[in-house]
Amino acid sequence: RKEVEQDPGPFNVPEGATVAFNCTYSNSASQSFFWYRQDCRKEPKLLMSVYSSGNEDGRFTAQLNRASQYISLLIRDSKLSDSATYLCVVTGGGFKTIFGAGTRLFVKA
Amino acid sequence: DTGVSQNPRHKITKRGQNVTFRCDPISEHNRLYWYRQTLGQGPEFLTYFQNEAQLEKSRLLSDRFSAERPKGSFSTLEIQRTEQGDSAMYLCASTSIRGQGGNTEAFFGQGTRLTVV
Repeated sequence: RKEVEQDPGPFNVPEGATVAFNCTYSNSASQSFFWYRQDCRKEPKLLMSVYSSGNEDGRFTAQLNRASQYISLLIRDSKLSDSATYLCVVTGGGFKTIFGAGTRLFVKA
Repeated sequence: DTGVSQNPRHKITKRGQNVTFRCDPISEHNRLYWYRQTLGQGPEFLTYFQNEAQLEKSRLLSDRFSAERPKGSFSTLEIQRTEQGDSAMYLCASTSIRGQGGNTEAFFGQGTRLTVV
């Protein structure tokens, strides 16, 4: 089993749609959780950290369920500019930072 | 520029040659990571350092790969006897320790794109 697993993509959605990505992790000792965004041929960049209480940043909402070892990202009112690959990132008990394979999102007009 | 810096940005080499990449992390970050990324995949963990100590190396990494961080600052990744399958983007990232455990966010360099011909 992979240490971090994400929904397979790609997701093709119209502008204005709500889309949700899921991610599971295998190491119950994991302590830090993030969602990154990666544009084509660019390096990954932080989208948002994920906290146990859940957190929201504008149209983006991230949630963490430690009991189920599950992380989610919700994007509301999708924009064309949201088209990218979204990477789930987990730092394990040994402080090794592991990335999921990513989920590609295409937002179409 | 106080971000993560990687050199070179691009490297084309013939099969069988050795290559070395350099990463300069954010100066106050004590953890440094190397990843490899191929098209359509997420960054694959290769190895990481805490200060100058190499704490883990991926089982997927052959002995042709070696990394160092001699003074706990910059790091080098060397690939000996390159093969065509080594062609990929090599990404470096740095983080620091978060007070309540775990890491702060990872900041990435722009990567070194290796092409083995």
